[in-house]
Amino acid sequence: RKEVEQDPGPFNVPEGATVAFNCTYSNSASQSFFWYRQDCRKEPKLLMSVYSSGNEDGRFTAQLNRASQYISLLIRDSKLSDSATYLCVVRGGATNKLIFGTGTLLAVQP
Amino acid sequence: GAGVSQTPSNKVTEKGKYVELRCDPISGHTALYWYRQSLGQGPEFLIYFQGTGAADDSGLPNDRFFAVRPEGSVSTLKIQRTERGDSAVYLCASSSPGRGGSYDTQYFGPGTRLTVL
Repeated sequence: RKEVEQDPGPFNVPEGATVAFNCTYSNSASQSFFWYRQDCRKEPKLLMSVYSSGNEDGRFTAQLNRASQYISLLIRDSKLSDSATYLCVVRGGATNKLIFGTGTLLAVQP
Repeated sequence: GAGVSQTPSNKVTEKGKYVELRCDPISGHTALYWYRQSLGQGPEFLIYFQGTGAADDSGLPNDRFFAVRPEGSVSTLKIQRTERGDSAVYLCASSSPGRGGSYDTQYFGPGTRLTVL
């Protein structure tokens, strides 16, 4: 079983739609959680950190449920420019290494 | 300011050859990480340096892989006797110490695309 699991998609949605991505992680000792965005043939870039209290950045909302070991990302009012792969990422307690899910591909259609 | 840089951007080599991949981190970042990303997968951790020393090399797949960071800045990932399965994008990231002993955001370089024929 992978340490971080995501639905690989693709998610094909029309502009303006709301889309939600989910992710589960297996190591209960994990301490930090993130969503990274990766455009085709580019490097991953931090989209947002994820906190237990939930956090919002414009059209993006991230949630963490430690009891269920579950992370989510909600994108409202999707734009064409949101098309990318969204990587769910966990950082362990004893190390600074990042553990990535396989990524979820989002394609926003005009 | 300048981000993480990696050279070469592309490397094509033949099975059995030796390759070196270079990473130049963001100035002042003491932590440096190497990851490998295969097609359709997320990046996979290889090794983490804090300063000059390898603090965690648990992700190196076997002894053909080795990395150094002799002066605590530039790092080189070395792969001996390359195999076709080594073909991937090799990503480098760096970060600076955050508050309370934790580490700040990892910033990634553009990667080196390695193809082993």
